[in-house]
Amino acid sequence: DVVLTQTPVAQPVTLGDQASISCRSSQSLVHSNGNTYLEWYLQKPGQSPQLLIYKVSNRFSGVPDRFIGSGSGSDFTLKISRVEPEDLGVYYCFQATHDPWTFGGGTKLELK
Amino acid sequence: EVKLQQSGDELVRPGASVKISCKASGYTFTNYAMYWVKQSPGQGLEWIGTIIPLIDTTSYNQKFKGKATLTADKSSNTAYMELSRLTSEDSAVYYCARLEPVVSPFAYWGQGTLVTVSS
Repeated sequence: DVVLTQTPVAQPVTLGDQASISCRSSQSLVHSNGNTYLEWYLQKPGQSPQLLIYKVSNRFSGVPDRFIGSGSGSDFTLKISRVEPEDLGVYYCFQATHDPWTFGGGTKLELK
Repeated sequence: EVKLQQSGDELVRPGASVKISCKASGYTFTNYAMYWVKQSPGQGLEWIGTIIPLIDTTSYNQKFKGKATLTADKSSNTAYMELSRLTSEDSAVYYCARLEPVVSPFAYWGQGTLVTVSS
């Protein structure tokens, strides 16, 4: 199975700061069709995960443009510029290129 | 508005089975695949499997074959997941999630169902 390793495990931030989360895959996430099925989710306390980014860098409907996904191959990053209170929670990367689909272990974005 | 309403939390005995439901509204149920995800403290988030209601086709994460059975009732717009031979390892929150084509398999999520396996 593809292993997604997220760093850091916890990211203390001050509101208004930028935050950056890394997701590294144990193998390339480029599908044979040329797409890279790497996604990012945010799970706020007591809620279901919510989709933020799909196919590396595309924001889902309604997601603010302060969320920026980037990367290629097996190395990906989610940047959050100007962190706001509603951005706090646990972020997960996810891959749907290889079967079985797998999630990263999560990064908790918390206040300093 | 897409809405996925899951059934309530369950407390079940080891060795028993449990069936969780996910009632869909706000869209044509048969037009979209439905997925199930497990979230546990020990294993994090795991994709369990997929059902395409239109043709009743399922696919499973190999890890959950024999553990989970996915079905769909087109007459009531409801997807189901049955978990069998429950052990403490099956204690988790289970989510249903709906596909958005060309976007993501997990674009829309239910609120989750907590299954606790305990004697």
